Amino acid sequence: GNSVTQMEGPVTLSEEAFLTINCTYTATGYPSLFWYVQYPGEGLQLLLKATKADDKGSNKGFEATYRKETTSFHLEKGSVQVSDSAVYFCALQPPLFFQGAQKLVFGQGTRLTINP
Amino acid sequence: EPEVTQTPSHQVTQMGQEVILRCVPISNHLYFYWYRQILGQKVEFLVSFYNNEISEKSEIFDDQFSVERPDGSNFTLKIRSTKLEDSAMYFCASESRYQETQYFGPGTRLLVL
Repeated sequence: GNSVTQMEGPVTLSEEAFLTINCTYTATGYPSLFWYVQYPGEGLQLLLKATKADDKGSNKGFEATYRKETTSFHLEKGSVQVSDSAVYFCALQPPLFFQGAQKLVFGQGTRLTINP
Repeated sequence: EPEVTQTPSHQVTQMGQEVILRCVPISNHLYFYWYRQILGQKVEFLVSFYNNEISEKSEIFDDQFSVERPDGSNFTLKIRSTKLEDSAMYFCASESRYQETQYFGPGTRLLVL
């Protein structure tokens, strides 16, 4: 079946540190891959996505590259800010082989705290 | 920018009571979803809906749950007889016909006492 595994949290970093949050997946075919972010007390917001192998998604200084060979989609940011403190979810959507809704499969989430 | 809205933002109910959670998806979207997140845990899929019928449902989505799109705009999740373990944040999501991205609402926090 389809599944997503994220690195265990919580992660605590100092401002301007380099961030990596690991995400690996198991899926049949070529799923679409997403990172969603959940700020304290809020809902899920799409951070970035990639729909095919070697694609790089990027937004707000965050990047993730779709690696088919390692089935990974690690999230990176070169210099984090206090405002990046949130929970980050990696997710996949299976390939759209048929007409119909396709659910997202989420990882367990990684809580990130950035200290000033 | 269009967004998914959900009401109420919070609901407290007694065990055994019925609750209806409401969602207004983004206009012209065709695919609709409900997910839930028990406090501190991962986001779990409940049900997907397309063309006025359920596309897929999870094991969580038992006979106590139902979904409806009564008027072409609202998308509702009903829990007929709530249990303590139904306490969670419930998220609605919608997706366009191109199925590129699911957009989530802010969630309804349900507390069953």
